[in-house]
Amino acid sequence: GNSVTQMEGPVTLSEEAFLTINCTYTATGYPSLFWYVQYPGEGLQLLLKATKADDKGSNKGFEATYRKETTSFHLEKGSVQVSDSAVYFCALSVVSGAGSYQLTFGKGTKLSVIP
Amino acid sequence: DTEVTQTPKHLVMGMTNKKSLKCEQHMGHRAMYWYKQKAKKPPELMFVYSYEKLSINESVPSRFSPECPNSSLLNLHLHALQPEDSALYLCASSQGSGAGLFTEAFFGQGTRLTVV
Repeated sequence: GNSVTQMEGPVTLSEEAFLTINCTYTATGYPSLFWYVQYPGEGLQLLLKATKADDKGSNKGFEATYRKETTSFHLEKGSVQVSDSAVYFCALSVVSGAGSYQLTFGKGTKLSVIP
Repeated sequence: DTEVTQTPKHLVMGMTNKKSLKCEQHMGHRAMYWYKQKAKKPPELMFVYSYEKLSINESVPSRFSPECPNSSLLNLHLHALQPEDSALYLCASSQGSGAGLFTEAFFGQGTRLTVV
C-alpha cells in the first residue's frame, strides 16, 4: 500500500537553528510529494512540492528533495524563526481504485521555535 | 487567487440539529474534497467530487451528506451528528483528480464543528 512516515514530534528548536524533519514513503508508481504546514487554528497550506525524482521543492527558505533511491523527502530550513512554529505534514498523491488522485498524509510533526 | 473559502468558521450544533457547511473556490478547479481532522491527527479523506459528480465516498456515515451544486461550490449537510463527530472539517480543491490533472490541492481554513 501507499504510506508516509515522518518523524514524530514535538520538535523544539531555538531561533536560527537548523531544521530537518524526516519523511519517507512507500508507494506504487511515481507519486508526487508535498509538504503542507498548518498554523494553530488554521487550515493546511501547501509549503512545497516535487513531482519527480531529484526535483527540489523550495519556498520561504524551506527545501526538500525527492530522493527515489531512498524513498525520502526530508524537509530542511537553514535558520528557523518563531513564526515557523506549526505542524508540518508530509504527503504523497496516489491514485485510488476509482481513478481519482488523492493525498495520503503522514502523522504530522509539531515544530516549536523558541526565541 | 488560490483561495478556498469555508463558512462558517465555527459551528456548535446539537445532536438533533441539521446544519450545512459551505465551501467555495474560484480557481476553475474541477475536483473538490471534504476532509475531517481530529486534534493532533492528519486530515482524513471523506469525499471526492470530480466534475460535480461524487467519485469517492470513504465509507462515511449517512449523517454526512455532500452536495456539489456547481463547479465552484461544495456543501456538507449534517444531520443527527454525534459528539465524536466534533472535529475540524476541511475543504480542498485541485485542478482535477485524474492523471495529469492532480498537481496540488488547496485547502480552506476549515470549519471547527462542536456537537453537543
